[in-house]
Amino acid sequence: TQLLEQSPQFLSIQEGENLTVYCNSSSVFSSLQWYRQEPGEGPVLLVTVVTGGEVKKLKRLTFQFGDARKDSSLHITAAQPGDTGLYLCAGEGSGTYKYIFGTGTRLKVLA
Amino acid sequence: NAGVMQNPRHLVRRRGQEARLRCSPMKGHSHVYWYRQLPEEGLKFMVYLQKENIIDESGMPKERFSAEFPKEGPSILRIQQVVRGDSAAYFCASSPAYDTEAFFGQGTRLTVV
Repeated sequence: TQLLEQSPQFLSIQEGENLTVYCNSSSVFSSLQWYRQEPGEGPVLLVTVVTGGEVKKLKRLTFQFGDARKDSSLHITAAQPGDTGLYLCAGEGSGTYKYIFGTGTRLKVLA
Repeated sequence: NAGVMQNPRHLVRRRGQEARLRCSPMKGHSHVYWYRQLPEEGLKFMVYLQKENIIDESGMPKERFSAEFPKEGPSILRIQQVVRGDSAAYFCASSPAYDTEAFFGQGTRLTVV
């Protein structure tokens, strides 16, 4: 069974601080996605990483896919209150369409 | 182009009643996925459907739960004889093909009282 563990589970930081969220598995994924979900809403896709070692930047967010395609990280620079939300990673197993979602990291950025 | 539409947004049912959750995929999307999210947890895959076909229902509980995606109309997730443990947010996602990006709806929050 493929599992994705995210850490930390909860994170509360001050505006302007940097943070990193991790997504780890013992399984290989053909691609991995990061989503942000706000209360009462569905997940919204932030990025998809496909190639081992790939790094993608989205404004203040930097996403990295591990060389072995088993793990990923999300780094936020100078966090803002608007970054508050639940961050989910989701992996697509090799040859499958089913997305395995991580346990989530709940981020709160205080003004 | 409207996004994935789910209704109702909130649904309250008494134990033993039936819950019917609807999902209208984005225009041009013929692949639908249902996920369940329990409070403070990530999403768990339930079922994958294409028009008129169930492709994979490996995440569906064996009893009381069923799903369909008819030729015309929305996809329906049906839960019979609901129990308190069915209380959760149910999300639908759609895509134009199985290996392309799926877009999520806003979810239906089911509360069983």
